[in-house]
Amino acid sequence: KNEVEQSPQNLTAQEGEFITINCSYSVGISALHWLQQHPGGGIVSLFMLSSGKKKHGRLIATINIQEKHSSLHITASHPRDSAVYICAVYTGTASKLTFGTGTRLQVTL
Amino acid sequence: DTAVSQTPKYLVTQMGNDKSIKCEQNLGHDTMYWYKQDSKKFLKIMFSYNNKELIINETVPNRFSPKSPDKAHLNLHINSLELGDSAVYFCASSHWGNTEAFFGQGTRLTVV
Repeated sequence: KNEVEQSPQNLTAQEGEFITINCSYSVGISALHWLQQHPGGGIVSLFMLSSGKKKHGRLIATINIQEKHSSLHITASHPRDSAVYICAVYTGTASKLTFGTGTRLQVTL
Repeated sequence: DTAVSQTPKYLVTQMGNDKSIKCEQNLGHDTMYWYKQDSKKFLKIMFSYNNKELIINETVPNRFSPKSPDKAHLNLHINSLELGDSAVYFCASSHWGNTEAFFGQGTRLTVV
């Protein structure tokens, strides 16, 4: 079993819908990354957080350290949000990231 | 200005060959990484360097040898390429201490 689990694995939504992607982890962490990867593209950091909530435009990330859970929300989704969203956690002190399996999001018109 | 740049973006080569992938960052970070993304899009760390010193080596075959000539560069040399080495390799950098990581565009390696 992977130390970082994401759900759902695949998600299809219509434009305008509110989207939630979940990440659960089984290890102690110091911080959590949400990353975005477009098809054939590079990886972009969306958020890094270790507590509470962060917002950037239509994206919101929350984390509950006690429950070992984080969520990424996208409000008013748009086809350009179609991408793979990856949760990654820092464990230990060696700046090592452990990745989830990713959530493939497809937003249709 | 590209923050983390990798070259080449695509690399097709025959089994048994030796190849290198270069990575450079202009963010002033002191830590650099190589990650491998398999065909199922799963990412896994291979190496990390802090101030040119190897910190993490995640049971990667000896055929893979990272080299960090300075803090801004981390190159990956692969000897005797095998079919199973086909993957996308990502370079990344950050400040030491579990801070935000910045990724390159990836190098798609295909071994035929």
